[in-house]
Amino acid sequence: DTGVSQNPRHKITKRGQNVTFRCDPISEHNRLYWYRQTLGQGPEFLTYFQNEAQLEKSRLLSDRFSAERPKGSFSTLEIQRTEQGDSAMYLCASSFLAGAQDTQYFGPGTRLTVL
Amino acid sequence: AQSVAQPEDQVKVAEGNPLTVKCTYSVSGNPYLFWYVQYPNRGLQFLLKYITGDNLVKGSYGFEAEFNKSQTSFHLKKPSALVSDSALYFCAVGGSARQLTFGSGTQLTVLP
Repeated sequence: DTGVSQNPRHKITKRGQNVTFRCDPISEHNRLYWYRQTLGQGPEFLTYFQNEAQLEKSRLLSDRFSAERPKGSFSTLEIQRTEQGDSAMYLCASSFLAGAQDTQYFGPGTRLTVL
Repeated sequence: AQSVAQPEDQVKVAEGNPLTVKCTYSVSGNPYLFWYVQYPNRGLQFLLKYITGDNLVKGSYGFEAEFNKSQTSFHLKKPSALVSDSALYFCAVGGSARQLTFGSGTQLTVLP
Protein backbone atom coordinates (compact mmCIF):
# COMPACT_ATOMS: atom_id res chain seq x y z
CA ASP A 1 0.00 0.00 0.00
CA THR A 2 1.59 3.29 -1.08
CA GLY A 3 -0.91 5.62 0.55
CA VAL A 4 -0.37 8.02 3.43
CA SER A 5 0.39 6.20 6.67
CA GLN A 6 0.08 7.43 10.22
CA ASN A 7 1.34 6.00 13.48
CA PRO A 8 0.13 5.23 16.00
CA ARG A 9 -3.49 4.69 15.00
CA HIS A 10 -4.64 5.19 18.56
CA LYS A 11 -3.05 6.94 21.51
CA ILE A 12 -4.37 7.13 25.04
CA THR A 13 -2.52 9.44 27.39
CA LYS A 14 -2.97 11.19 30.69
CA ARG A 15 -3.48 14.90 30.94
CA GLY A 16 -0.17 16.74 31.09
CA GLN A 17 1.82 14.18 29.11
CA ASN A 18 3.49 14.90 25.77
CA VAL A 19 2.53 12.95 22.66
CA THR A 20 4.05 12.68 19.20
CA PHE A 21 2.41 11.42 16.03
CA ARG A 22 4.13 10.42 12.82
CA CYS A 23 2.97 10.79 9.23
CA ASP A 24 4.57 9.21 6.17
CA PRO A 25 3.25 10.82 2.98
CA ILE A 26 2.98 9.28 -0.46
CA SER A 27 6.59 9.05 -1.56
CA GLU A 28 6.66 11.57 -4.42
CA HIS A 29 4.48 14.13 -2.67
CA ASN A 30 6.19 17.33 -1.62
CA ARG A 31 3.32 18.89 0.32
CA LEU A 32 2.24 17.58 3.69
CA TYR A 33 -0.70 18.84 5.77
CA TRP A 34 -1.96 18.28 9.28
CA TYR A 35 -5.64 18.56 10.24
CA ARG A 36 -7.63 17.93 13.40
CA GLN A 37 -11.09 16.45 13.40
CA THR A 38 -13.36 16.48 16.42
CA LEU A 39 -16.54 14.46 16.74
CA GLY A 40 -19.29 15.66 14.46
CA GLN A 41 -17.10 18.16 12.65
CA GLY A 42 -15.14 18.38 9.45
CA PRO A 43 -11.35 18.41 9.52
CA GLU A 44 -9.77 21.66 10.66
CA PHE A 45 -6.48 22.75 9.10
CA LEU A 46 -3.49 23.06 11.42
CA THR A 47 -0.30 23.46 9.37
CA TYR A 48 1.46 22.44 6.17
CA PHE A 49 4.92 21.86 4.72
CA GLN A 50 6.40 22.31 1.29
CA ASN A 51 9.28 19.84 1.40
CA GLU A 52 10.96 20.63 4.74
CA ALA A 53 9.72 24.22 4.99
CA GLN A 54 6.73 24.89 7.24
CA LEU A 55 4.84 27.50 5.24
CA GLU A 56 1.84 28.02 7.48
CA LYS A 57 1.65 27.47 11.19
CA SER A 58 -0.56 30.27 12.43
CA ARG A 59 -3.49 27.85 12.61
CA LEU A 60 -1.83 25.59 15.14
CA LEU A 61 -4.14 25.61 18.11
CA SER A 62 -1.67 26.83 20.70
CA ASP A 63 2.04 26.98 21.40
CA ARG A 64 1.73 23.47 22.84
CA PHE A 65 1.40 22.21 19.26
CA SER A 66 4.42 21.91 17.00
CA ALA A 67 5.23 20.07 13.79
CA GLU A 68 8.41 19.15 11.96
CA ARG A 69 9.40 17.65 8.65
CA PRO A 70 13.16 17.61 8.98
CA LYS A 71 14.17 15.92 5.74
CA GLY A 72 11.17 16.70 3.64
CA SER A 73 9.85 13.18 3.96
CA PHE A 74 7.95 12.07 7.09
CA SER A 75 6.51 14.57 9.55
CA THR A 76 5.81 14.58 13.26
CA LEU A 77 3.17 16.47 15.19
CA GLU A 78 3.85 16.97 18.89
CA ILE A 79 1.44 18.11 21.56
CA GLN A 80 2.99 19.10 24.85
CA ARG A 81 1.19 19.10 28.18
CA THR A 82 -1.92 17.51 26.72
CA GLU A 83 -5.35 18.64 27.84
CA GLN A 84 -8.66 16.80 27.63
CA GLY A 85 -9.74 19.20 24.90
CA ASP A 86 -6.96 17.86 22.69
CA SER A 87 -8.86 14.57 22.32
CA ALA A 88 -9.57 14.29 18.61
CA MET A 89 -8.59 12.55 15.39
CA TYR A 90 -5.40 13.97 13.90
CA LEU A 91 -5.24 13.58 10.14
CA CYS A 92 -2.30 13.91 7.81
CA ALA A 93 -2.59 14.51 4.07
CA SER A 94 -0.16 14.91 1.22
CA SER A 95 -0.27 16.30 -2.30
CA PHE A 96 2.09 16.25 -5.26
CA LEU A 97 1.96 19.75 -6.60
CA ALA A 98 1.83 23.11 -4.91
CA GLY A 99 -1.46 24.61 -6.00
CA ALA A 100 -4.64 25.11 -4.05
CA GLN A 101 -6.38 22.90 -6.57
CA ASP A 102 -4.23 19.86 -5.96
CA THR A 103 -5.84 16.81 -4.48
CA GLN A 104 -4.89 16.06 -0.91
CA TYR A 105 -4.77 12.38 -0.01
CA PHE A 106 -5.46 11.58 3.59
CA GLY A 107 -4.06 8.98 5.93
CA PRO A 108 -6.18 6.91 8.32
CA GLY A 109 -5.57 9.29 11.21
CA THR A 110 -4.37 9.01 14.80
CA ARG A 111 -7.10 9.05 17.40
CA LEU A 112 -5.93 10.75 20.59
CA THR A 113 -7.73 10.26 23.88
CA VAL A 114 -6.59 12.38 26.80
CA LEU A 115 -7.75 11.08 30.18
CA ALA B 1 -11.96 33.89 4.26
CA GLN B 2 -13.40 30.74 2.73
CA SER B 3 -16.25 28.65 4.08
CA VAL B 4 -18.44 25.68 3.26
CA ALA B 5 -21.95 24.88 4.36
CA GLN B 6 -23.57 21.46 4.27
CA PRO B 7 -27.14 22.25 5.27
CA GLU B 8 -28.22 18.67 5.95
CA ASP B 9 -26.70 16.71 8.81
CA GLN B 10 -28.38 13.55 7.56
CA VAL B 11 -29.73 12.28 4.27
CA LYS B 12 -31.64 9.02 3.91
CA VAL B 13 -32.54 7.41 0.62
CA ALA B 14 -33.73 4.01 -0.48
CA GLU B 15 -31.36 1.76 -2.37
CA GLY B 16 -31.72 2.26 -6.10
CA ASN B 17 -33.03 5.80 -5.76
CA PRO B 18 -31.01 8.87 -6.77
CA LEU B 19 -29.20 10.72 -4.02
CA THR B 20 -28.13 14.32 -3.57
CA VAL B 21 -25.89 15.73 -0.85
CA LYS B 22 -25.88 19.52 -0.78
CA CYS B 23 -22.96 21.91 -0.45
CA THR B 24 -22.63 25.67 -0.77
CA TYR B 25 -19.41 27.61 -0.54
CA SER B 26 -17.91 31.05 -0.14
CA VAL B 27 -14.44 31.93 -1.37
CA SER B 28 -12.52 34.83 -2.86
CA GLY B 29 -11.33 34.18 -6.37
CA ASN B 30 -11.68 30.92 -8.25
CA PRO B 31 -13.11 28.09 -6.18
CA TYR B 32 -11.53 24.67 -6.09
CA LEU B 33 -14.15 22.28 -4.76
CA PHE B 34 -13.77 18.77 -3.44
CA TRP B 35 -15.87 15.92 -2.13
CA TYR B 36 -14.48 13.35 0.29
CA VAL B 37 -16.09 10.33 1.94
CA GLN B 38 -15.26 8.99 5.39
CA TYR B 39 -16.09 5.53 6.71
CA PRO B 40 -16.11 4.87 10.48
CA ASN B 41 -12.71 5.24 12.12
CA ARG B 42 -11.07 5.86 8.76
CA GLY B 43 -9.43 8.77 7.02
CA LEU B 44 -11.01 10.67 4.18
CA GLN B 45 -11.17 9.22 0.69
CA PHE B 46 -11.15 11.55 -2.29
CA LEU B 47 -14.21 11.29 -4.55
CA LEU B 48 -13.98 14.14 -7.05
CA LYS B 49 -13.03 17.76 -7.56
CA TYR B 50 -13.95 20.78 -9.64
CA ILE B 51 -11.15 23.01 -10.89
CA THR B 52 -12.43 24.53 -14.10
CA GLY B 53 -14.30 23.54 -17.24
CA ASP B 54 -17.43 21.42 -17.33
CA ASN B 55 -19.83 22.12 -14.54
CA LEU B 56 -20.62 18.41 -14.19
CA VAL B 57 -17.72 16.52 -12.66
CA LYS B 58 -17.57 12.74 -12.58
CA GLY B 59 -15.71 10.90 -9.86
CA SER B 60 -15.19 7.59 -8.15
CA TYR B 61 -17.84 4.93 -7.46
CA GLY B 62 -20.38 6.47 -9.84
CA PHE B 63 -20.58 9.80 -8.01
CA GLU B 64 -20.80 13.12 -9.80
CA ALA B 65 -21.15 16.73 -8.71
CA GLU B 66 -22.60 19.80 -10.33
CA PHE B 67 -20.87 23.14 -9.98
CA ASN B 68 -23.21 26.13 -10.06
CA LYS B 69 -21.38 29.43 -9.88
CA SER B 70 -24.45 31.65 -9.59
CA GLN B 71 -25.78 29.64 -6.66
CA THR B 72 -22.27 28.99 -5.24
CA SER B 73 -23.18 25.35 -4.91
CA PHE B 74 -21.45 22.04 -5.54
CA HIS B 75 -23.98 19.29 -4.88
CA LEU B 76 -22.93 15.64 -4.89
CA LYS B 77 -25.15 13.24 -6.80
CA LYS B 78 -25.49 9.61 -7.73
CA PRO B 79 -28.19 8.22 -10.03
CA SER B 80 -28.72 4.99 -8.10
CA ALA B 81 -27.69 4.65 -4.45
CA LEU B 82 -26.15 1.51 -2.95
CA VAL B 83 -26.27 0.41 0.68
CA SER B 84 -22.47 0.50 0.62
CA ASP B 85 -22.62 4.25 -0.12
CA SER B 86 -23.69 4.81 3.49
CA ALA B 87 -20.98 6.97 5.02
CA LEU B 88 -20.08 10.51 6.08
CA TYR B 89 -19.56 12.92 3.19
CA PHE B 90 -17.56 16.12 3.35
CA CYS B 91 -17.48 19.01 0.93
CA ALA B 92 -14.35 21.18 0.94
CA VAL B 93 -13.13 24.34 -0.74
CA GLY B 94 -9.60 25.43 -1.56
CA GLY B 95 -9.03 28.95 -2.80
CA SER B 96 -6.16 31.34 -2.52
CA ALA B 97 -5.30 29.69 0.77
CA ARG B 98 -3.42 26.45 0.46
CA GLN B 99 -5.43 24.56 3.02
CA LEU B 100 -8.83 23.00 2.50
CA THR B 101 -11.82 24.28 4.44
CA PHE B 102 -14.34 21.55 5.13
CA GLY B 103 -18.02 21.54 5.83
CA SER B 104 -19.40 19.82 8.90
CA GLY B 105 -20.34 16.71 6.96
CA THR B 106 -23.52 14.93 5.91
CA GLN B 107 -24.30 11.41 7.10
CA LEU B 108 -25.75 9.47 4.20
CA THR B 109 -27.81 6.39 4.97
CA VAL B 110 -28.98 4.18 2.12
CA LEU B 111 -31.80 1.94 3.22
CA PRO B 112 -32.07 -1.57 1.76
